[in-house]
Amino acid sequence: QLQLQESGPGLVKPSETLSLTCTVSGGSISSSSYYWGWIRQPPGKGLEWIGSIYYSGSTYYNPSLKSRVTISVDTSKNQFSLKLSSVTAADTAVYYCARPLAGTVFDYWGQGTLVTVSS
Amino acid sequence: AIQLTQSPSSLSASVGDRVTITCRASQGISSALAWYQQKPGKAPKLLIYDASSLESGVPSRFSGSGSGTDFTLTISSLQPEDFATYYCQQFNSYPAITFGQGTRLEIK
Repeated sequence: QLQLQESGPGLVKPSETLSLTCTVSGGSISSSSYYWGWIRQPPGKGLEWIGSIYYSGSTYYNPSLKSRVTISVDTSKNQFSLKLSSVTAADTAVYYCARPLAGTVFDYWGQGTLVTVSS
Repeated sequence: AIQLTQSPSSLSASVGDRVTITCRASQGISSALAWYQQKPGKAPKLLIYDASSLESGVPSRFSGSGSGTDFTLTISSLQPEDFATYYCQQFNSYPAITFGQGTRLEIK
């Protein structure tokens, strides 16, 4: 059974960079045809796709966040990561890592981690 | 970018009711639509993919239909555990993905 687990600081200061890691267990992150993605949800609001990365390293980002987002994969650790730069209070959200099956629908999700942007 | 509009934004219903939630796409997306259920404090759960295919393990009271721009999620007979927020998601432009704004289903 595939499992995903987010980790990283729960508090980030404004203008700094938010960094999160998703550890995948129960399967290889470098299996062919697999994408890996990040989704966020501000408190009390809806879901927003941040971006996805193909196992080969190709990345795809939400146009509204593209200038601030970097997603990378570390196959040696079976992990993929999110960096979001120049954060503001509007970036406060629960951040989920998930697997978009063949890049389409998210069939496996992490439990989510709350990141608060505050000084 | 493709936008998804769900209606209604919230809905009150009783156990045993038949409920329908609508999702409209800003342009045609064929059958590239999924539905998720999210309960408070939990990650979303995939219910329906390809507009009408039921994810393994999901009760048969859930069904999806539609193609092009108009889609529906129907719960044939509401159960207590079905009270949650529901989201549609398009993947016609995958890997670029968008979600609807959500529909909160509450107990009447």
